[in-house]
Amino acid sequence: GAGVSQSPRYKVAKRGQDVALRCDPISGHVSLFWYQQALGQGPEFLTYFQNEAQLDKSGLPSDRFFAERPEGSVSTLKIQRTQQEDSAVYLCASSFREGTYEQYFGPGTRLTVT
Amino acid sequence: AQKVTQAQTEISVVEKEDVTLDCVYETRDTTYYLFWYKQPPSGELVFLIRRNSFDEQNEISGRYSWNFQKSTSSFNFTITASQVVDSAVYFCALLWTGNQFYFGTGTSLTVIP
Repeated sequence: GAGVSQSPRYKVAKRGQDVALRCDPISGHVSLFWYQQALGQGPEFLTYFQNEAQLDKSGLPSDRFFAERPEGSVSTLKIQRTQQEDSAVYLCASSFREGTYEQYFGPGTRLTVT
Repeated sequence: AQKVTQAQTEISVVEKEDVTLDCVYETRDTTYYLFWYKQPPSGELVFLIRRNSFDEQNEISGRYSWNFQKSTSSFNFTITASQVVDSAVYFCALLWTGNQFYFGTGTSLTVIP
């Protein structure tokens, strides 16, 4: 596809379950970003990859959050032992060159932890 | 500290009215970028504009215009002759260094037909 895709679009998890959220960036895009958007709030930065290297993970809220991009394309955000406060929309964005500048966002994955 | 404030939480206008969305930012850096994004109900953030801190020229793109004023740390967005399709949440964002965006809390715009 032409844009950033994310799957699943919706995920319901019971508290304590592990979840994995997938992001397919635009082909050839070097940079990939994850954001967390709580209800009624703006997106908040989680982590940044340049190719397969995770250059910034300062926004990850706890050690239960883990992201990877092993081959420099598809990325997975994993949340272990989910908590209710993890309920949010998780947005992925990609950029064709190093750094942020013009980021193209995916539709997001809405995670609900019950 | 870096901060973006969008004081208007919700705005409703009647179709064809003009509307201005306010954005005030804080940063200690002299080099930074400001952005506006649109988030329609589908959830995807759509890039509208980017300005760097050294370019204070206002910009017009069709019905959209942006007013960047460093003196007041504001980067306001005006939609002229609003249309129902403009209904969305609009976010202002600041990029100062590295790779972290700082988004405001958004302004929800409803255009009533």
